[in-house]
Amino acid sequence: DAKTTQPPSMDCAEGRAANLPCNHSTISGNEYVYWYRQIHSQGPQYIIHGLKNNETNEMASLIITEDRKSSTLILPHATLRDTAVYYCIVRIPLSGSARQLTFGSGTQLTVLP
Amino acid sequence: NAGVTQTPKFRVLKTGQSMTLLCAQDMNHEYMYWYRQDPGMGLRLIHYSVGEGTTAKGEVPDGYNVSRLKKQNFLLGLESAAPSQTSVYFCASTIPRLAGGSHANEQFFGPGTRLTVL
Repeated sequence: DAKTTQPPSMDCAEGRAANLPCNHSTISGNEYVYWYRQIHSQGPQYIIHGLKNNETNEMASLIITEDRKSSTLILPHATLRDTAVYYCIVRIPLSGSARQLTFGSGTQLTVLP
Repeated sequence: NAGVTQTPKFRVLKTGQSMTLLCAQDMNHEYMYWYRQDPGMGLRLIHYSVGEGTTAKGEVPDGYNVSRLKKQNFLLGLESAAPSQTSVYFCASTIPRLAGGSHANEQFFGPGTRLTVL
């Protein structure tokens, strides 16, 4: 199972881009990279996922390196409401087509006014 | 669309008591999951279900039982609560969808149940 490594904490100024890195050097060829976030005391919220191409949606962009050993989540214009713990997750197969999400410690992003 | 809801939101039990946590989703999702989250830690999978009438063990199943009698509901039971089961319990559901020709799952989480066992 591929493990992920994230910095424990980061700060970002409000209105600036927040770039959250993640290392997953043992990722296998068909494993996806997912990003979730958890705002204090709430359930985790899906942000974005990708396999090998860069992805963008209304919340964020995901940049995956060509060798797929690392990725970066980009919040283009961070707001105070983006303060949360961000989890980078590599999917692990379970029975059938179910996918376990293994949550590590994540990165605590604090957006500063 | 209520999404994923959990009942109750808070509960305090004494050691040895039993209780059932209810998770309900109105998105017609096939897969449902129960996680626990201890203070300062990530989520750990307790049990999961890939369809009505089926359940399977996750990473930390001991002390818990589950049932999926209806597609929209996933119940988590504690037969004899212990202080080590003090935690926040999250339910999630998902439906596989195609992305680039392969299945990719996005899990929708409920708001959590905060359980304290004295």
